[in-house]
Amino acid sequence: KAGVTQTPRYLIKTRGQQVTLSCSPISGHRSVSWYQQTPGQGLQFLFEYFSETQRNKGNFPGRFSGRQFSNSRSEMNVSTLELGDSALYLCASRLQGTDNEQFFGPGTRLTVL
Amino acid sequence: KNEVEQSPQNLTAQEGEFITINCSYSVGISALHWLQQHPGGGIVSLFMLSSGKKKHGRLIATINIQEKHSSLHITASHPRDSAVYICAASPSAQKLVFGQGTRLTINP
Repeated sequence: KAGVTQTPRYLIKTRGQQVTLSCSPISGHRSVSWYQQTPGQGLQFLFEYFSETQRNKGNFPGRFSGRQFSNSRSEMNVSTLELGDSALYLCASRLQGTDNEQFFGPGTRLTVL
Repeated sequence: KNEVEQSPQNLTAQEGEFITINCSYSVGISALHWLQQHPGGGIVSLFMLSSGKKKHGRLIATINIQEKHSSLHITASHPRDSAVYICAASPSAQKLVFGQGTRLTINP
């Protein structure tokens, strides 16, 4: 079974631009969560989607948004990029329930110049 | 104060040593996760536990719900165990709150 895939793996943008990152969960997994990892703040929860609905959201500004499609693939979008948005963005998928293990993708490393 | 605190932040040991990493949390949880992150960023979920103890190979995770404390143990450590180990608490079903991580280096 293929693991969680994220595209692109690396991305360079400039301040003010917007970016869309993609996550394809493991086949059969319906829940996708997104996380941001920076050297200063560590790992932080962004949001979680299940069956195309956002179930939970972390403390990030409205510039960070996401969505999930009917095939469970998910995208996250960051608008008006700031230097501080440079980070590793990770997504993780799990079957559906709250007690299921999460499987992480390799991440997308975003650099904002 | 962070909701999830790990100690130590850095740990260097010799191959074969018994390793303990501690995690304390201040939130109510539905589960506690231990994750491993190797250089390059990939994260692997090691354990998810809500009570007692779990064992997988040389790794053991324990949790004390009353004391809000969990430990990750590595027996007979090996250089390939060198990684960052992250504790994460689930205060709600869909959310994770992370510790700052423990950077473990095992020297041959």
